[in-house]
Amino acid sequence: SAVISQKPSRDICQRGTSLTIQCQVDSQVTMMFWYRQQPGQSLTLIATANQGSEATYESGFVIDKFPISRPNLTFSTLTVSNMSPEDSSIYLCSVHNRTGAGELFFGEGSRLTVL
Amino acid sequence: AQSVTQPDIHITVSEGASLELRCNYSYGATPYLFWYVQSPGQGLQLLLKYFSGDTLVQGIKGFEAEFKRSQSSFNLRKPSVHWSDAAEYFCAVGAREYGNKLVFGAGTILRVKS
Repeated sequence: SAVISQKPSRDICQRGTSLTIQCQVDSQVTMMFWYRQQPGQSLTLIATANQGSEATYESGFVIDKFPISRPNLTFSTLTVSNMSPEDSSIYLCSVHNRTGAGELFFGEGSRLTVL
Repeated sequence: AQSVTQPDIHITVSEGASLELRCNYSYGATPYLFWYVQSPGQGLQLLLKYFSGDTLVQGIKGFEAEFKRSQSSFNLRKPSVHWSDAAEYFCAVGAREYGNKLVFGAGTILRVKS
């Protein structure tokens, strides 16, 4: 299984600011997935990050709010822009197994609280 | 559209009792099916998965799940629950036809009473 490291693990942010979350994987992967888990809720896919192309966003999520970078096959960042209290969530990075399909492996998540 | 339903938000069982968590899905393709567990403050851990073949799959920590195509279900079971099983459980579904993205159910919180 892949080992995924996320930074920061948690942060408290002020309204109107932006925060960038980093995701590092211990192996090269084609796709990386960013999920959001709002308090007491399930996981919702924000976008799929492919190396060498723009991220693909799910309905309800836009690049201006959640810009994503994917500079190489082991790293990605998600920025939460112009934050409001509604953005308080756990943000999770995930990747597939080595075959590129099937189950996802998750990082520990980045817990953001916006005041 | 793809959807996953976990009808039970909370379930409470006594330690040593059997457990069944329900999961139903609606998918326009042959699904892959998963159960994940999330303990408080932790990330998600894969319990088990179904891709094809034997419809009864075994996972870690003594869990098993049965895929029933006719009922569009993938229920999670454990014959004897331990206090350490208290956590939130998520059913997830994916398909190659949908880019292998996983759709998650709302989750079921399991409480274990001694």
